[in-house]
This record gives sequence, structure tokens and C-alpha cells, in this order.
Amino acid sequence: EAGVAQSPRYKIIEKRQSVAFWCNPISGHATLYWYQQILGQGPKLLIQFQNNGVVDDSQLPKDRFSAERLKGVDSTLKIQPAKLEDSAVYLCASSFTAANYGYTFGSGTRLTVV
Amino acid sequence: KQEVTQIPAALSVPEGENLVLNCSFTDSAIYNLQWFRQDPGKGLTSLLLIQSSQREQTSGRLNASLDKSSGRSTLYIAASQPGDSATYLCAVTGGAGSYQLTFGKGTKLSVIP
Repeated sequence: EAGVAQSPRYKIIEKRQSVAFWCNPISGHATLYWYQQILGQGPKLLIQFQNNGVVDDSQLPKDRFSAERLKGVDSTLKIQPAKLEDSAVYLCASSFTAANYGYTFGSGTRLTVV
Repeated sequence: KQEVTQIPAALSVPEGENLVLNCSFTDSAIYNLQWFRQDPGKGLTSLLLIQSSQREQTSGRLNASLDKSSGRSTLYIAASQPGDSATYLCAVTGGAGSYQLTFGKGTKLSVIP
């Protein structure tokens, strides 16, 4: 089966600019997650979708980050305006049933804010 | 809140050695535990998934164990190779009443030829 697709792979922007990331999960996976991984740390959950509804966005900085999952398939994560501390790898993961099958991750988008 | 700790943070071993990576978690009410591998600048590759009812899983030279009651897991790598050099992340699904996947900070492994 095809994996989780993410784009772009790399992005360099100046602070205060906006950026968007795209994720296409594995077909049939109802649950989709966005994680932020800062260098040297483990990934941190930003937002969890079940189909096109938000299950958990408690750690999403809502003043600058937004995410949507239209039609319960693809998802986009947006940052506006970006700060230097947003430099990180943004990972998308999907799961059929997390409790039974675990998670599959995409290759990530490396964001550098200068 | 579930917390995951991995020890050591970094490990360097000569090629051919067997090694053990450790993971502990604070809330034992988990659904499963996954070990991931991450190469520099890349995403996460799932290595092993252990359900909460299982004690261990094996894949090739990798063996992961789970002691849910004590909140511990180990990843055993036999006959290490330079290609095993990467960061290994432990993550648990569940705990604190959610399905959230919570990660440790990882162990950076270097296998010296």
C-alpha cells in the first residue's frame, strides 16, 4: 500500500511569512495526526483528526497555527505568521485504528524560519 | 499526563555488539507501544508494535519486550551493524484517557565499523 505522502520536503521562509504543508494519508485511514519535532526532541502532537472532525488540538498554538481536513482525506497545516521557534520537522501520521494497528508516518517537512 | 523517558540519550558501540535500549512510561493504561527508527532529516519508520496484551515482538535482529505493569520496554538489537546507526524512538498509544501517541526523546545510536 502507498504510504503517507507529505509535501513539500523542505521549506525556508522568513519570520512573519506564512507557510502551508500538505498531507495525504493512507487510503482508508480515518485518523490523521500532525506532529512537530524540534531538533533533538521527540515529536509533539499538534492536532488529531477523526475523519474531518478535530479530536484533539490542545497543543496547537491557535493564534498562528491552523489545520483542516477536507472531506476526511487530505489535510493542510498552516502557520501564519511564522516565528523563529517554529523551525522544526512537521510530521503527518495516519492510522486505521490506533489502538490496534499503530501509526504510519510520512517523511516530514523540514521548515526553517530565518 | 503520559510521559515517556528513554535511556540512554546516546550510545556508541563497535560493530557486532548486542545492545539494549530502554524506554519507560508513567501511565500503564496503554493500548500499545511502538518502536520507531529515524534517520537524519527523515520521517519515522515503524520497527515493532507491541499490543498491551503482548510481552514481546521480534523482527529479524530486533526484539522488543513490554512489561506494562512496571511501565517499561526494551529494544534489543543483535549483532549491530553500521547501518543500524540512527535515532530510535519509543512511543505509547494511550494513557491519561486518550489515544494520543506520546514519544520519548529518543536514543541516538552510532555503530562504529
